[in-house]
Order: sequence, then C-alpha cells, then structure tokens
Amino acid sequence: QQQVKQSPQSLIVQKGGISIINCAYENTAFDYFPWYQQFPGKGPALLIAIRPDVSEKKEGRFTISFNKSAKQFSLHIMDSQPGDSATYFCAATITSGNTPLVFGKGTRLSVIA
Amino acid sequence: DAGVTQSPTHLIKTRGQQVTLRCSPKSGHDTVSWYQQALGQGPQFIFQYYEEEERQRGNFPDRFSGHQFPNYSSELNVNALLLGDSALYLCASRWTSGGGGYGYTFGSGTRLTVV
Repeated sequence: QQQVKQSPQSLIVQKGGISIINCAYENTAFDYFPWYQQFPGKGPALLIAIRPDVSEKKEGRFTISFNKSAKQFSLHIMDSQPGDSATYFCAATITSGNTPLVFGKGTRLSVIA
Repeated sequence: DAGVTQSPTHLIKTRGQQVTLRCSPKSGHDTVSWYQQALGQGPQFIFQYYEEEERQRGNFPDRFSGHQFPNYSSELNVNALLLGDSALYLCASRWTSGGGGYGYTFGSGTRLTVV
C-alpha cells in the first residue's frame, strides 16, 4: 500500500518557469511533510518541510502548499533554473514514536534553457 | 561538522555473498534509519535503530539485519545476496530540537551491485 502518491513522474520546464509537483497522502496521522532533492549518485537533501498547522511555507524560490482537508501538498519552484534539474521526492511521517519517513516515487525535473 | 558518512561508496559482490555497510550519523543525532533505493524509485525503509535496538522494520526479509553501536554509528548486513539487492543503500540520521524542530539528514549512500 503506497501511503504517499506523487505526480507527475517527470516534468520539463523552461528556464524561468514554475515547476509544480504534487503529492497526496492517506494517513491522517502524518504531521511532518518534507521535500527532498536528489542529484544522481547523491543522497536526498532536504529542501523544505511543512507541518499541517500551516497552509503554506516559503523558502527562497521554493514553496510548499498544504491542503489538510484534501490530504494533498505540493512543491512550487519559482524561476526554475537548469541547476534545479534533479529528482524530487515528497515524504511524510509521524514525528512522535518511531514511524519512518514514507517517500513518494519521485519526480524527475528537467529545466531547459 | 560532518554530515552523515557512509562507507564504502561503491561495492560489487557476487550472488550468495554477504555484505556489511557502515554509517556514522551526524553529530548529536541518535536515531539511524536505513533505506534501499532501487534505480528510478523512491527510498524504501528497511529499519530504524535507536539506543542500540531495532525500533521499526519495513517489509524486508531477515537476510537484512543491522546493528547500532554506543556511539550511534550503525551497520547494515545483508546475507545471501540476490541480484535484486542491487541498489543504493542510504543511511539517515534523525534529529529533534526543543522548539519542535525535526528532520532527517541523509548520507550519500553506498551503491551495491550484485553480479
């Protein structure tokens, strides 16, 4: 059972455009929702994370939008750059106890000039 | 401050052999998790260690075992290797802070190839 569903699988965006990646979750007990960026041959690196008590969080060009009632959250990358080309993963977990991070399947983003 | 350190970076093993992968968590992080990432897939949770005990386990066979040492470092052991065990193995250390901060830091992984 996949607890976090991510779409699209791949995305091509023009330089300067907005990249949008969506995730949906099933477990309403999840209370921490991070996004990770992964380059080939490297481990995932935390980009930005959100808790369900806020609807939006912005850090630089990266914004998470969170819709608790719909059980959905999304990553927006503003002014996308070729250096943003990577695979992006959403994840979710419950911060109390020993629940692990549950990942989506990833979105391969290509930003073209 | 060093992040999460994994060794070795690459490894080639033959079917049926055994392998041990190592992880040193970021300083101050006491909980270590291991993930398997097949090519083109998201990381899959193997198990998590805290206070030298396995606290949670994902859907992996008993061929996968681990250990955590008093200094919080950890090992992942895989016995009777199968071709399907070829993957990037990631170690992550978890941190929490008094102000409600929380997160996981990942290492760069060990690329295991089984031939």
